[in-house]
Amino acid sequence: DGGITQSPKYLFRKEGQNVTLSCEQNLNHDAMYWYRQDPGQGLRLIYYSQIVNDFQKGDIAEGYSVSREKKESFPLTVTSAQKNPTAFYLCASSSPWTGYNEQFFGPGTRLTVL
Amino acid sequence: AQSVTQLDSHVSVSEGTPVLLRCNYSSSYSPSLFWYVQHPNKGLQLLLKYTSAATLVKGINGFEAEFKKSETSFHLTKPSAHMSDAAEYFCVVSVSNAGNMLTFGGGTRLMVKP
Repeated sequence: DGGITQSPKYLFRKEGQNVTLSCEQNLNHDAMYWYRQDPGQGLRLIYYSQIVNDFQKGDIAEGYSVSREKKESFPLTVTSAQKNPTAFYLCASSSPWTGYNEQFFGPGTRLTVL
Repeated sequence: AQSVTQLDSHVSVSEGTPVLLRCNYSSSYSPSLFWYVQHPNKGLQLLLKYTSAATLVKGINGFEAEFKKSETSFHLTKPSAHMSDAAEYFCVVSVSNAGNMLTFGGGTRLMVKP
């Protein structure tokens, strides 16, 4: 059953802590993306990666870091430098066969800073 | 640069009546256009996409959208609303010269009354 999985579904963090959100896909997609969603707003791009061991900053990369050591995995670390990390985080992937522009989304992780 | 404006943040309809969710876009190049649906605390699901083929695009669950270049619009319609259609809907634009990155509208929350 192909798809994108994100874990955990809910995550609570104390201020000053780093946390890592997991994203795994078995669609054999080359490109992966992280978005942040705030209430009543559209999605904003944090980071993306089109090939293993390479990634680029999106529109709101400050306070976040990523790695892409494997094609299937694209973890996102929310660092203590991120001033307002409470949000819903969505991971997505896409393939060159659809020109990269059709993205498939995971179920999301809701991060709350206590 | 491309942009998307969803003209209504909230739309309320009665079950069985037509649905119209409005979207206008701005793009210097030929765009690809998408509608995604998001149910509460879930990821995004692709409803339909326009990629320069037929201007009237049919999607899942009875939804369709018409690409009107002269009006720079891509409105989403459905003849008869169902209770299960209640969700957040996002209009999205992508252009190849921008690396096929997605630009999201702010979303329209559809409420369906019994």
